[in-house]
Amino acid sequence: DTGVSQNPRHKITKRGQNVTFRCDPISEHNRLYWYRQTLGQGPEFLTYFQNEAQLEKSRLLSDRFSAERPKGSFSTLEIQRTEQGDSAMYLCASSLREPRTDTQYFGPGTRLTVL
Amino acid sequence: AQRVTQPEKLLSVFKGAPVELKCNYSYSGSPELFWYVQYSRQRLQLLLRHISRESIKGFTADLNKGETSFHLKKPFAQEEDSAMYYCALVFNTGGFKTIFGAGTRLFVKA
Repeated sequence: DTGVSQNPRHKITKRGQNVTFRCDPISEHNRLYWYRQTLGQGPEFLTYFQNEAQLEKSRLLSDRFSAERPKGSFSTLEIQRTEQGDSAMYLCASSLREPRTDTQYFGPGTRLTVL
Repeated sequence: AQRVTQPEKLLSVFKGAPVELKCNYSYSGSPELFWYVQYSRQRLQLLLRHISRESIKGFTADLNKGETSFHLKKPFAQEEDSAMYYCALVFNTGGFKTIFGAGTRLFVKA
């Protein structure tokens, strides 16, 4: 296992199109996170899964965004009717539940450009 | 509301000089704080976490609850320390939520 992987690495789309990103976490990790990062900012939390359950979702996430993690393995993040403001790096991270901490391992990210 | 503030966007020091990257947080509960680092063309990775009270690559960070700070320090900076550094707060809301600061770019000059 070489760590968290994300596909595609780059996506260019036209405004109004739907896009879907995939994240494959480290195999034994039961927690999975999605973040969005824009230039000059730190990663912004979008949503969090523990196994297949989506336990936390940012209020910043509009109804156009949806995430799934079927069977508690890989996860997908879909953005419907993309807007230019959705252009960003989308990061995925996974972690293994530990009693007192939560070290997250990040993927390389998917860079989305909406024209 | 929970918040993480890194007041410096850019910090430039000479090799061998001490370095301190500031992080202040706002959280009413018991915080879990982390420093993540991103080197050029690499993915974001953990540097250290407050709960471990460890020193990684010569860096240390002490949680000061009175000042709500978690500053990252290194007594002698090296050129390979040049990177983007993010402070992060993790808290439990039923699920786990993480808030990152905006980051500080550290540039160590030869």
